[in-house]
Amino acid sequence: GQSLEQPSEVTAVEGAIVQINCTYQTSGFYGLSWYQQHDGGAPTFLSYNALDGLEETGRFSSFLSRSDSYGYLLLQELQMKDSASYFCATNGGATNKLIFGTGTLLAVQP
Amino acid sequence: GAVVSQHPSWVICKSGTSVKIECRSLDFQATTMFWYRQFPKQSLMLMATSNEGSKATYEQGVEKDKFLINHASLTLSTLTVTSAHPEDSSFYICSARVGPSSGYTFGSGTRLTVV
Repeated sequence: GQSLEQPSEVTAVEGAIVQINCTYQTSGFYGLSWYQQHDGGAPTFLSYNALDGLEETGRFSSFLSRSDSYGYLLLQELQMKDSASYFCATNGGATNKLIFGTGTLLAVQP
Repeated sequence: GAVVSQHPSWVICKSGTSVKIECRSLDFQATTMFWYRQFPKQSLMLMATSNEGSKATYEQGVEKDKFLINHASLTLSTLTVTSAHPEDSSFYICSARVGPSSGYTFGSGTRLTVV
């Protein structure tokens, strides 16, 4: 089976930097993705790491260490609109099933 | 970009009735779609994989006779919640894979309330 664990909640202030961690246990690993979901909305794709290292996309960066079964999403220059739930996810290889982590609710305060 | 259109956005139905949710890929062909359920303040749980022209694959613990999935064309997948009960009230959302590094695109979701 697959399990991806995240902290349930994180709070930060506007303009700050926040890191959301994800540790995973999977029977097969085909990369780690990150999604943002605002309350009542659909998840939107943020970033994907197939290999170890850092991927940067604007204010968002994602890191992966396959040897540690660990990844994180880094959000810089936080804005109020970044308040949302963030999910790490991994797909099931040949099945392409996307399995989500437990999710982290980020609250950005003024 | 790849868009999946999901309808309805919300539905209220009486206990014991059936509800059909549709997902259409608008600008691409989706041979596979995924159906998720999300309860408040929880993660998205994969229910089933919908395969065009063949039977759906259900995750462990999901009742295939209760959640009927049909994928009759390359652009349309439907989920029917049969004999709905209040415990089926949830947010249902479909998804399709766009590409290895492009992630998955999601429908806008359907909020189902069974009264």
